[in-house]
Amino acid sequence: DAGITQSPRHKVTETGTPVTLRCHQTENHRYMYWYRQDPGHGLRLIHYSYGVKDTDKGEVSDGYSVSRSKTEDFLLTLESATSSQTSVYFCAITRGIWGNTEAFFGQGTRLTVV
Amino acid sequence: EDQVTQSPEALRLQEGESSSLNCSYTVSGLRGLFWYRQDPGKGPEFLFTLYSAGEEKEKERLKATLTKKESFLHITAPKPEDSATYLCAVQTSTGNQFYFGTGTSLTVIP
Repeated sequence: DAGITQSPRHKVTETGTPVTLRCHQTENHRYMYWYRQDPGHGLRLIHYSYGVKDTDKGEVSDGYSVSRSKTEDFLLTLESATSSQTSVYFCAITRGIWGNTEAFFGQGTRLTVV
Repeated sequence: EDQVTQSPEALRLQEGESSSLNCSYTVSGLRGLFWYRQDPGKGPEFLFTLYSAGEEKEKERLKATLTKKESFLHITAPKPEDSATYLCAVQTSTGNQFYFGTGTSLTVIP
């Protein structure tokens, strides 16, 4: 258990509304990630962070933004939710100063956009 | 383009019937290859890391091996509780990003 908590665990929202998902970690790791998981695509990286206020894009970042104002919290925002963003979202951390270790995942947030 | 392919997509085994799952990869430079187990409604659970060709790791009924182009997850005498989706991921030497395969869904029938 890497001390990762995601909230909410489930959410239904309407198209066009903004949505924020939260990832909280208790172990002070430098690197945090947001992935989405869809059938037939596996896990795909949305954004990641390598420190407070330091973030970078992943392969599917369009329509998403992130913020990290504290080491322990990494927020994912869908600026205007679309049906294509219906997915299961996972937060992850990697350990060490360079983050090049195995990833540990949270329990996921199931988001449905109607 | 970095790519990870897992096969088969789904596998049904009788309890005690050993088999192997495959993960083939094409990356510009491999830093590490990772195996995960994922149960329905849960996040992936870390199993193994392999760093170089020829390396092997074991845990209970699972053994992971690595060559220059692929990895195998061998399951010996599986039990129903081994039923899950098994994910493979690679991390390249150029960054921290992980590339995941789509997984193998394993069902072990009592």
